[in-house]
Amino acid sequence: NAGVTQTPKFQVLKTGQSMTLQCAQDMNHEYMSWYRQDPGMGLRLIHYSVGAGITDQGEVPNGYNVSRSTTEDFPLRLLSAAPSQTSVYFCASSPASGLERAKPQYFGPGTRLTVL
Amino acid sequence: AQKITQTQPGMFVQEKEAVTLDCTYDTSDPSYGLFWYKQPSSGEMIFLIYQGSYDQQNATEGRYSLNFQKARKSANLVISASQLGDSAMYFCAMREGRNSGYALNFGKGTSLLVTP
Repeated sequence: NAGVTQTPKFQVLKTGQSMTLQCAQDMNHEYMSWYRQDPGMGLRLIHYSVGAGITDQGEVPNGYNVSRSTTEDFPLRLLSAAPSQTSVYFCASSPASGLERAKPQYFGPGTRLTVL
Repeated sequence: AQKITQTQPGMFVQEKEAVTLDCTYDTSDPSYGLFWYKQPSSGEMIFLIYQGSYDQQNATEGRYSLNFQKARKSANLVISASQLGDSAMYFCAMREGRNSGYALNFGKGTSLLVTP
């Protein structure tokens, strides 16, 4: 049981490049989400999904796309990287139904992204 | 508007002493959950403790306890018998009902340093 995995751990991009951050979980969780963490800002929600085929925007969605074709995977796509997207990105998952919403979100180890 | 406020950017505590990290929240949803996470210098997000809005008793998990004062909308984390390994960033987070997509709203964090 690997929990939540993220790849890559580190990435450097040039302005305008695109890339996909991978996230996978093996806990059969319905709910998955992406956060970014910037110094002094805490974690801010980018996008989330409550199940396969269902995604929605969070607090800071601009410049990012997501899709959820399976329960296990929730990739985050940067369409045209900008220096403002330099951040640490965390993927998280949790059960989403009924009383399970009291369960914590489990986080992946994070991806540190630098955009030059 | 900020939903989670952590007013202490940094705290010091001596080893074996207790420390309280403050958290206040803002919501009109009667059903919500409050979480505390620890982020050591290695970067991972570690779930510590959960308190539900309808829970009558304060949550406890080992050396962690949550001082939940619903009328004051505060959910302070108490760490008893501090250890050097408790040095980390601590984040308070809130999860509201279904309409928010079960997302977590995070505070900006408190940096705790435990000294010998």
